[in-house]
Amino acid sequence: KAGVTQTPRYLIKTRGQQVTLSCSPISGHRSVSWYQQTPGQGLQFLFEYFSETQRNKGNFPGRFSGRQFSNSRSEMNVSTLELGDSALYLCASSLVGSTEAFFGQGTRLTVV
Amino acid sequence: AQSVSQHNHHVILSEAASLELGCNYSYGGTVNLFWYVQYPGQHLQLLLKYFSGDPLVKGIKGFEAEFIKSKFSFNLRKPSVQWSDTAEYFCAVSNDYKLSFGAGTTVTVRA
Repeated sequence: KAGVTQTPRYLIKTRGQQVTLSCSPISGHRSVSWYQQTPGQGLQFLFEYFSETQRNKGNFPGRFSGRQFSNSRSEMNVSTLELGDSALYLCASSLVGSTEAFFGQGTRLTVV
Repeated sequence: AQSVSQHNHHVILSEAASLELGCNYSYGGTVNLFWYVQYPGQHLQLLLKYFSGDPLVKGIKGFEAEFIKSKFSFNLRKPSVQWSDTAEYFCAVSNDYKLSFGAGTTVTVRA
C-alpha cells in the first residue's frame, strides 16, 4: 500500500511569488491535514480537510490556504511568499474516525 | 488552548543505556496521545499511541510509554538504546481533528 505522497519534494521560490503543494493520501484515507515544520517553531498545524470541507484551521495568515478534491487529494497554496515561509511542509492522512495520522516525506520550501 | 511540553531538548547517551523522554500535556478532556519519531532525512513515523485502556503501551522497536492521567504525562522509554535510535522524537496530543506537537527531543546515541 502506497504511503502519503507529496509533490514536489523541493521548491525554491522568490519572495512575493506564490506556491502550490500537493498531497495524495493513502488509499482509503479521507482526512488530510497539513503541518509546517521549522527549527524555531517546530511542528505547527495548518489545516485539516475531510470530504472537501475544512474542519479546522491553525493560526496562520490568510496567505495560507488549502483545498481538498473529491478523490481526497489535497493542495495547499501560499501566496505572496515571505522569507519566513521557508519550511518543511508535511501532509498527513487518516482514516475516517481515526486520530492516527500517517505522514508524507514533506515538501521542502525555500524562499529566497 | 492545549499544549504539549517535552522536557529535554537534546539527549546524548551511549549504546545500551536506558532512555526516558518526558512529555506533559495540558488538556482536561479525553486525549489521544502519540509518540512520533523522525530519523534523519526520513518522514515522521508513529512509534506508539494511547487511546484508552492499559496505560502502559508498547510500540515498535522496543519502545514503550506510560500514560499517567493524574500527572498529565506520557513518558517514552526504551531499556537499551542502539545507535540506530538516533533521531528526533515528538510527543503529540490529538484533539479537534489536529495534532498538537511538543517541541521535540533530539536523541543522539553514541556507538
